Amino acid sequence: GAGVSQSPSNKVTEKGKDVELRCDPISGHTALYWYRQSLGQGLEFLIYFQGNSAPDKSGLPSDRFSAERTGGSVSTLTIQRTQQEDSAVYLCASSPSTGGFQPQHFGDGTRLSIL
Amino acid sequence: GQNIDQPTEMTATEGAIVQINCTYQTSGFNGLFWYQQHAGEAPTFLSYNVLDGLEEKGRFSSFLSRSKGYSYLLLKELQMKDSASYLCAVSGSNYQLIWGAGTKLIIKP
Repeated sequence: GAGVSQSPSNKVTEKGKDVELRCDPISGHTALYWYRQSLGQGLEFLIYFQGNSAPDKSGLPSDRFSAERTGGSVSTLTIQRTQQEDSAVYLCASSPSTGGFQPQHFGDGTRLSIL
Repeated sequence: GQNIDQPTEMTATEGAIVQINCTYQTSGFNGLFWYQQHAGEAPTFLSYNVLDGLEEKGRFSSFLSRSKGYSYLLLKELQMKDSASYLCAVSGSNYQLIWGAGTKLIIKP
């Protein structure tokens, strides 16, 4: 597609349920990032994929969070046993690669609300 | 540690000029980005600086001083549609972006 696509755009679920968020990056982009943004806050880095390299998971807040990227394209962020503090907008971004001038292109995000 | 600082909120008048500052302390430097984010929307890329000096792009300009760990975004001829948050981000030693919390810019008529 023309841009980064994320689904669903909104997700409301009960505390304790598992959720899956999907990101479809720009075609040909090898780098993919997941961020979390709470209301009025900056971007919190979660995880980063670059090509076939092992992902950088250093930003994942707990072992309830995991992500995978299949075939170097689509990525899924999974949150198990959701808690109310997981409520936020989850943003996905992609870039052609890393290094130098490589701006990240963002999807519209998934607004996650935990009841 | 790594740190990006920018003002939380600024107010300016339509038609005027505003300067949004960003200071940073990072391990390694591979460029500084400015992004614009309207409420409820995704961030969009505005500018990139890797060398010292001023980069001009229409009504928006961005300045960098690497020795001072300092950048600013200059917005001229402000329009109401410029009301948004402006995010400063630094590409560190591993080329990942370290993000500031953003500056909310309010434009008044």
